[in-house]
Amino acid sequence: EAGVAQSPRYKIIEKRQSVAFWCNPISGHATLYWYQQILGQGPKLLIQFQNNGVVDDSQLPKDRFSAERLKGVDSTLKIQPAKLEDSAVYLCASSLATGGETQYFGPGTRLLVL
Amino acid sequence: AQSVTQLGSHVSVSEGALVLLRCNYSSSVPPYLFWYVQYPNQGLQLLLKYTTGATLVKGINGFEAEFKKSETSFHLTKPSAHMSDAAEYFCAVSHTGGFKTIFGAGTRLFVKA
Repeated sequence: EAGVAQSPRYKIIEKRQSVAFWCNPISGHATLYWYQQILGQGPKLLIQFQNNGVVDDSQLPKDRFSAERLKGVDSTLKIQPAKLEDSAVYLCASSLATGGETQYFGPGTRLLVL
Repeated sequence: AQSVTQLGSHVSVSEGALVLLRCNYSSSVPPYLFWYVQYPNQGLQLLLKYTTGATLVKGINGFEAEFKKSETSFHLTKPSAHMSDAAEYFCAVSHTGGFKTIFGAGTRLFVKA
C-alpha cells in the first residue's frame, strides 16, 4: 500500500513570503495530522483532522498558519507570511482513527526561512 | 495535562551492547504509549505501542518496552545493538477519546563499531 505522500520535500523562502505544503494520506485513513518539528525537538501537533473536520488546532498560530482538508482526503498547510522561526520540518501523518491508532508519517517538508 | 520526558538527548553504545532508552510520562488517565524511530531525512516509523493488556510489548527490529504504571515509565530496550539502529527515537503518549499525541524531545542513538 502506498504511504503518506508530501510535497515539496524542500523549500527555501524569504521571511514575509508565503508557502504551501501538500499531503496525501494513506487511502481510507480518516485522521490526518500536521506536525512541526524544529531541529532538536520532537514533533509538535499543529492541527488534527477527522475526515474533513478539525479536531484540534490549539497549537496552530492562526494569525499566519492555515490548513484545510478538502473532501476528507488530501490536505494543504499554508504559512502567510513566514517568519524566521518557522524554519522546521513539517510532517504529515495519517491514521485509521485516533487514540491508540498507529500514525503513519510522510517524509516531511524541510522549510528554511531566510 | 499529559507530558513526556526522555532522559538523555544522546546515547552512545557499542555494537552488540544493550540499548536502553528512557521515557517517563505524565497522564491523568490510562495512557497509550508509543515509541517511534526516525532515520535521517525520513518521517517517523512506529517501533511498538502499548494500549491495553500485556505490559511487555515487543516491536520491530528486536526492540521491546515495558509499561510500568507505578514508575510512570515506558523504557525501550534491545539486547544487542546493531549499526543500523543508529537513529533518533521518540517516545509519545496519547489516550482514548482522540486526545492529541504528545511527543518527547527525542534521544539520538549512536552505535560504535
